[in-house]
Amino acid sequence: GDSVTQMEGPVTLSEEAFLTINCTYTATGYPSLFWYVQYPGEGLQLLLKATKADDKGSNKGFEATYRKETTSFHLEKGSVQVSDSAVYFCALMGNQGGKLIFGQGTELSVKP
Amino acid sequence: EAQVTQNPRYLITVTGKKLTVTCSQNMNHEYMSWYRQDPGLGLRQIYYSMNVEVTDKGDVPEGYKVSRKEKRNFPLILESPSPNQTSLYFCASSLRDLTDTQYFGPGTRLTVL
Repeated sequence: GDSVTQMEGPVTLSEEAFLTINCTYTATGYPSLFWYVQYPGEGLQLLLKATKADDKGSNKGFEATYRKETTSFHLEKGSVQVSDSAVYFCALMGNQGGKLIFGQGTELSVKP
Repeated sequence: EAQVTQNPRYLITVTGKKLTVTCSQNMNHEYMSWYRQDPGLGLRQIYYSMNVEVTDKGDVPEGYKVSRKEKRNFPLILESPSPNQTSLYFCASSLRDLTDTQYFGPGTRLTVL
């Protein structure tokens, strides 16, 4: 079945460092891909999405490109801030349309 | 204010005692879904609903029931809770489907003793 694999955390960075969180997927057909963020004590928020190959999703300085050839959707940010400290989840929606598969999450901690 | 509300926010119960966690949205969304979050496992989808009277299983539906009799409400029912259902539960909704922005409720922390 469909699955999502994320790099394990926690990831600790200094402020203004470059961030990459790896995400790869296994799916039949052409899934849509998402990154969600969960700040401490809160529910999830959609960060960005891409619905077809080579699409780039972007929001709040974060970017991710849907790479079908490598089945990847890595999250990047050029300069992280302390306020970016959160847990980041990669997810895919397969052909069924309503079903969402999450990765296990990657905790990011940004130090001043 | 547009929001997804869940009740209760915290619940401690005992094995076998039926319970319902309510979920309501005020955005006229068609799509609603339930997830559970467990350490090291991320979020897993329990059930989802594309519209009124239409529900489908997610990845981990065993031990849960749902209903969608009206658009705004999507209750999660545990007929006979067991300790392995101790978890943090989130309800979410979106306008039509998952390609629309999904809005999450604040979560319900359930402990089954």
